[in-house]
Amino acid sequence: DQQVKQNSPSLSVQEGRISILNCDYTNSMFDYFLWYKKYPAEGPTFLISISSIKDKNEDGRFTVFLNKSAKHLSLHIVPSQPGDSAVYFCAASYNFGNEKLTFGTGTRLTIIP
Amino acid sequence: NAGVTQTPKFQVLKTGQSMTLQCAQDMNHEYMSWYRQDPGMGLRLIHYSVGAGITDQGEVPNGYNVSRSTTEDFPLRLLSAAPSQTSVYFCASMTGDGYTFGSGTRLTVV
Repeated sequence: DQQVKQNSPSLSVQEGRISILNCDYTNSMFDYFLWYKKYPAEGPTFLISISSIKDKNEDGRFTVFLNKSAKHLSLHIVPSQPGDSAVYFCAASYNFGNEKLTFGTGTRLTIIP
Repeated sequence: NAGVTQTPKFQVLKTGQSMTLQCAQDMNHEYMSWYRQDPGMGLRLIHYSVGAGITDQGEVPNGYNVSRSTTEDFPLRLLSAAPSQTSVYFCASMTGDGYTFGSGTRLTVV
């Protein structure tokens, strides 16, 4: 039972345009959401997070939107750069600081120069 | 400050062999965990620890043992390796926003 789903295994975007990565979850108890970025042969690195009390969090080129009623979150990257090419995982936990994360299956983003 | 260090980076085991994946962190984090990454499955939690002497099971604990005798180290033991344990293993320690991951151990069981 996949509680966190990323339905797009891959996405290609032109450099300079907006990249939108989507994530859906089924467990309404999830309260805190994170995005991780992963390059080949490296561990995932934390990108941005959002608490369920917010509907938007922004950090530079990265913005995460949360729609609790739809159990949906999205990561916007604008403008997209070649270095953004990586696999992106969304993850959820029951509260901030909880040690147990549930990950989605990942979306491979390719930025086309 | 090395962060989270995993050894080895690669390992090939025969079915039935045992081995220990090492993980060490130098950030004095209490929370540490082990995840495995498989194609199409994302990362799944194997075991985690909230401090020295305390461990608990995650989503896929069968076939794995852990211990936490110090804050710094959190080894993962495979007692009798099976082909289903072929995967990439990540150790992580928890920061304020989430986990800091090691670079992974790619394990193949033949």
